[in-house]
Amino acid sequence: EPEVTQTPSHQVTQMGQEVILRCVPISNHLYFYWYRQILGQKVEFLVSFYNNEISEKSEIFDDQFSVERPDGSNFTLKIRSTKLEDSAMYFCASSQTGDYGYTFGSGTRLTVV
Amino acid sequence: AQSVTQPDIHITVSEGASLELRCNYSYGATPYLFWYVQSPGQGLQLLLKYFSGDTLVQGIKGFEAEFKRSQSSFNLRKPSVHWSDAAEYFCAVPSLGNEKLTFGTGTRLTIIP
Repeated sequence: EPEVTQTPSHQVTQMGQEVILRCVPISNHLYFYWYRQILGQKVEFLVSFYNNEISEKSEIFDDQFSVERPDGSNFTLKIRSTKLEDSAMYFCASSQTGDYGYTFGSGTRLTVV
Repeated sequence: AQSVTQPDIHITVSEGASLELRCNYSYGATPYLFWYVQSPGQGLQLLLKYFSGDTLVQGIKGFEAEFKRSQSSFNLRKPSVHWSDAAEYFCAVPSLGNEKLTFGTGTRLTIIP
């Protein structure tokens, strides 16, 4: 069964550093998403991406965040200057038709120290 | 705003026993509704979804859910749980007019022998 692949599975970074979280969506999917889950809290929407541009973003997704699809296979989330409160599990997801039946990746646990 | 409530934070069930996980929604129209499961160290896997039509929805792994408009509920059921069902379960609803999913706080399911 096709999978969404996320790397790394766990990343530790110092506060103020830039991090890039990587995702390889399912190859024929057209809609891409990032969600995050702070420990003990809800899974929260960050951003959706379609046709090489952001289609929607949440209030969490401020200027410190950016997304990119640098080639035909990868979808990245960049945090420019990490804060302690960015520590969370970040999930990438993709969908063929945008009908919410996402396929999620297994997540990247980001720890900011 | 569209939202879902999962009133049970943690449920413990004996292996082989039946299971019902509760989800109540608040939505301005006929909702789309989803159940996802997150096994330890894994991503979010779609169990089932309701868009319209038959109010009893069959999903993967032997799960089903019933949409009850009168009770604003979409409870997840399984007649006989297996130890491998131990996981966190999330109910979700999309926001009107956009692409994001709003998740409930989740119910952690523990299976005892």
